Amino acid sequence: ELKVEQNPLFLSMQEGKNYTIYCNYSTTSDRLYWYRQDPGKSLESLFVLLSNGAVKQEGRLMASLDTKARLSTLHITAAVHDLSATYFCAVVRYSGGGADGLTFGKGTHLIIQP
Amino acid sequence: SQTIHQWPATLVQPVGSPLSLECTVEGTSNPNLYWYRQAAGRGLQLLFYSVGIGQISSEVPQNLSASRPQDRQFILSSKKLLLSDSGFYLCAWGRGNTEAFFGQGTRLTVV
Repeated sequence: ELKVEQNPLFLSMQEGKNYTIYCNYSTTSDRLYWYRQDPGKSLESLFVLLSNGAVKQEGRLMASLDTKARLSTLHITAAVHDLSATYFCAVVRYSGGGADGLTFGKGTHLIIQP
Repeated sequence: SQTIHQWPATLVQPVGSPLSLECTVEGTSNPNLYWYRQAAGRGLQLLFYSVGIGQISSEVPQNLSASRPQDRQFILSSKKLLLSDSGFYLCAWGRGNTEAFFGQGTRLTVV
């Protein structure tokens, strides 16, 4: 059974600081997603990482994937209040019929204070 | 471009009443379609997925069912809602190595 663990689950930080969210998964997968969810809203796709060593950056967010370690990180640089949200990582699960959905971590609730 | 529509946005239903949530995708053909549920303050759980018309796979035993009557239409149903069915229901589509795109969600409250 594929398990996805995120940590921390809750993070309160000050503007201007850097921090990293970690996502570990238990079985082999070649696709990992990061999503952002604002309160009461749906999921917004941030990054899709498709190969070992993949690194993607968008603004103050950078995501990386190490498939050998089964680890992805989401790094926040010089945080700003607008980045406050819940961040989910998700890993594709495969069965005999192909890709059959995403298994999500529990999410990291990020609060960035002025 | 591809878009995904989900409705209604919010729904309040009494216990024991039926449910029908609809999701449609535009701008693509033969997508994989998914229903997820997010209970209050919790992560997302995959409920159903479909790789084609009439093909439904269920992830967990539950009070819900899904159907795919057309290529780009995915329906989530229940004959009799339970209090535990309350949550935020999200439809998503994906294919191959593309990202999984989510609809705007339906917030269901069973009272």
